[in-house]
Amino acid sequence: KQEVTQIPAALSVPEGENLVLNCSFTDSAIYNLQWFRQDPGKGLTSLLLIQSSQREQTSGRLNASLDKSSGRSTLYIAASQPGDSATYLCAVRDGGSYIPTFGRGTSLIVHP
Amino acid sequence: SQTIHQWPATLVQPVGSPLSLECTVEGTSNPNLYWYRQAAGRGLQLLFYSVGIGQISSEVPQNLSASRPQDRQFILSSKKLLLSDSGFYLCAWSGAGGLNIQYFGAGTRLSVL
Repeated sequence: KQEVTQIPAALSVPEGENLVLNCSFTDSAIYNLQWFRQDPGKGLTSLLLIQSSQREQTSGRLNASLDKSSGRSTLYIAASQPGDSATYLCAVRDGGSYIPTFGRGTSLIVHP
Repeated sequence: SQTIHQWPATLVQPVGSPLSLECTVEGTSNPNLYWYRQAAGRGLQLLFYSVGIGQISSEVPQNLSASRPQDRQFILSSKKLLLSDSGFYLCAWSGAGGLNIQYFGAGTRLSVL
């Protein structure tokens, strides 16, 4: 059974720092991995999706990488801003499954 | 473009009352549909998913049920709510093929008193 872990659970940083959020999974036979952002009391917003054949995806200040062999993905946030404060979740979809497995998320606070 | 609508945004219900939450998707056909619950301090729990009209799979035994009467409509129901049904309910959809990117609705905050 796939298990997804996100470390750290919480992170508080000053504005301007470059950040790395980690997501690890136990079964490397994945179909894709998706990163989400969730603001308090809101739904999840899709940030990036990496297919199993890809190594990374970029969108603006966000870069997500995937290393299937080691069961890891990282979300890199460049030049963090207070507006980046949110919970970031990763979800892994195994090959042949409709059901993604979610991590518990990393709660990020970027203070001015 | 595709959009997902979920309502109501907030709901306060007494114990023992019925529940009906509705989710609709626009701009796509034959989506995979999902209901999740997110309790305070806990992760995202998958409740039901559907790959087609009338096809419902339940992930955990519970006091809730789901139905898909139309291709792009997904309904979460209960005949009698329990205190433990309180939480944040999220509907999501993904394409039947291709990238399978998952998109979420805005959520419904349910408080059972």
